[in-house]
Amino acid sequence: RKEVEQDPGPFNVPEGATVAFNCTYSNSASQSFFWYRQDCRKEPKLLMSVYSSGNEDGRFTAQLNRASQYISLLIRDSKLSDSATYLCVVMRGGYQKVTFGTGTKLQVIP
Amino acid sequence: NAGVTQTPKFQVLKTGQSMTLQCAQDMNHNSMYWYRQDPGMGLRLIYYSASEGTTDKGEVPNGYNVSRLNKREFSLRLESAAPSQTSVYFCASIQDSPSTDTQYFGPGTRLTVL
Repeated sequence: RKEVEQDPGPFNVPEGATVAFNCTYSNSASQSFFWYRQDCRKEPKLLMSVYSSGNEDGRFTAQLNRASQYISLLIRDSKLSDSATYLCVVMRGGYQKVTFGTGTKLQVIP
Repeated sequence: NAGVTQTPKFQVLKTGQSMTLQCAQDMNHNSMYWYRQDPGMGLRLIYYSASEGTTDKGEVPNGYNVSRLNKREFSLRLESAAPSQTSVYFCASIQDSPSTDTQYFGPGTRLTVL
């Protein structure tokens, strides 16, 4: 089993829709969680950190469920500019213990 | 403020050739990383440098060497390139702790080994 798993998609949604992605992790010792966004043939960029209590940044909401070992990203009122691949990142102590998911591709359709 | 820069952007090598990928950051960050990204595999850590003067292996270090030349620069060397090293290589830097600080990535180097 992969340490971090994501549904690769693509998720094709109309503008204005709400879409949610999940990311599961296998190691219960995981400590820090992030969502990164990667546009086609570009570098990843931090979208948001994921805190135990959940956190929101505008149209984006991230949540952590330690009991079931997954994190989620909810995007409300999708924009065309949200089209990208969303990478889940999990860390468990130490600089080398960083694991990226393979990403979920989102395509927002006019 | 350039952030993280990488050179070259594209490179084609023949099997057995060597090359060095350059990375520099101007954010005064302490930690720097090299990743490779392959289809269906996600980004995988090759080497990292937690601070100037130190380097350590990541998940996939075989076939690579690194040098933390100074606080700004972290280079990745392929001594004898193999087709399995065809990939997109990203350099990243972090202020201090990867658990709390944002990783800033360079634009990537697209390497093809024939």
